Amino acid sequence: DTAVSQTPKYLVTQMGNDKSIKCEQNLGHDTMYWYKQDSKKFLKIMFSYNNKELIINETVPNRFSPKSPDKAHLNLHINSLELGDSAVYFCASSQETLRTPREETQYFGPGTRLLVL
Amino acid sequence: AQKITQTQPGMFVQEKEAVTLDCTYDTSDQSYGLFWYKQPSSGEMIFLIYQGSYDEQNATEGRYSLNFQKARKSANLVISASQLGDSAMYFCAMREGGRTGRRALTFGSGTRLQVQP
Repeated sequence: DTAVSQTPKYLVTQMGNDKSIKCEQNLGHDTMYWYKQDSKKFLKIMFSYNNKELIINETVPNRFSPKSPDKAHLNLHINSLELGDSAVYFCASSQETLRTPREETQYFGPGTRLLVL
Repeated sequence: AQKITQTQPGMFVQEKEAVTLDCTYDTSDQSYGLFWYKQPSSGEMIFLIYQGSYDEQNATEGRYSLNFQKARKSANLVISASQLGDSAMYFCAMREGGRTGRRALTFGSGTRLQVQP
């Protein structure tokens, strides 16, 4: 009954490969996010989707392409992986059409540790 | 300018004592939310506590309380009766106002807390 799940948890791959990370939430939330945590533990927003519509697309190389097949899923596809893409990628979700701000708390998945060799 | 500042890269506390983790923020929004997350060595992001900009009382969740001083733009996390399991990285984050889907979190650089027996 995990709220926000990500697969895979670990991903080790060679430079130049293409890989995908999947995220699913069973909280019924309408907004999902991808964050990147670098080697210094700094977390930064990459994308957000609301009701399957891309809302935020921060300064991220266009090798990164999010896809939301439905409100419960937000996948991240990365083309031509580079060494600098090594990081932990977190998916999160929240319900933004709400009665109280408290309910806009974002809940995070367990993270995907990507290592590019 | 940084929107969230955590000035303590690392903190030590003795088991059973209280500890305060500092967080200052910068926003021109009237409506915003402040969050604290815990990241243990296992890597997941665990939501701890939320404070809304219009909340008149400081938030509390069990052993966690938030010392919210709006005029000073600070939102310090207080952990009472520290336990060994509290050893982790702690992140302060802010969600500013904005239309649906644009309310991603901005994170501070984190504070690593170590609880000593």
